[in-house]
Amino acid sequence: GESVGLHLPTLSVQEGDNSIINCAYSNSASDYFIWYKQESGKGPQFIIDIRSNMDKRQGQRVTVLLNKTVKHLSLQIAATQPGDSAVYFCAENMRDDKIIFGKGTRLHILP
Amino acid sequence: DAGVTQSPTHLIKTRGQQVTLRCSPKSGHDTVSWYQQALGQEPQFIFQYYEEEERQRGNFPDRFSGHQFPNYSSELNVNALLLGDSALYLCASSFLPPRGPYNEQFFGPGTRLTVL
Repeated sequence: GESVGLHLPTLSVQEGDNSIINCAYSNSASDYFIWYKQESGKGPQFIIDIRSNMDKRQGQRVTVLLNKTVKHLSLQIAATQPGDSAVYFCAENMRDDKIIFGKGTRLHILP
Repeated sequence: DAGVTQSPTHLIKTRGQQVTLRCSPKSGHDTVSWYQQALGQEPQFIFQYYEEEERQRGNFPDRFSGHQFPNYSSELNVNALLLGDSALYLCASSFLPPRGPYNEQFFGPGTRLTVL
């Protein structure tokens, strides 16, 4: 069925350390997977995407890894900063143009 | 360049009432999608409007309806409100057909609906 989920609801990371947020999905029909950041009181904000035929993509301080064999996505944030505190969602862009979101992980930055 | 705007920011209604939420897409966008996000949950797709018609719909009852105007703005209407309709309602805008590899959607800040 269509479901994209996350392993951990909350992740606490020391400021300056790297964060790794994981996601499992079950639908293999999508061409693109997307990570969103949602801060309190705001809508989801695009962070990075990856095409299904890639296994890694890097952005500014973020890297997304895709393992289609085990249907697993991860988001790595380097040198985590207080401004990275938010809920992170992995999502699947379906071929009919709707977005299916995963359950979300709250990233908490420890001082 | 204005992003996606939504109104009102917050709204309180009672069970059985009807509500209308509004969305103005990002400048130049012609497609609007609506999502419901219950507290602590992920957004769930409600429906998408393009060329003033409902293009596709998620698993939501007919109490949820919408409209798109010639200027591409959109309304979400919910009739016979239930307590379970309390949520953040997100609007996202995009281009169709996509101008990139997929239909990248830009989200507004949402309208927080509380049903008492």
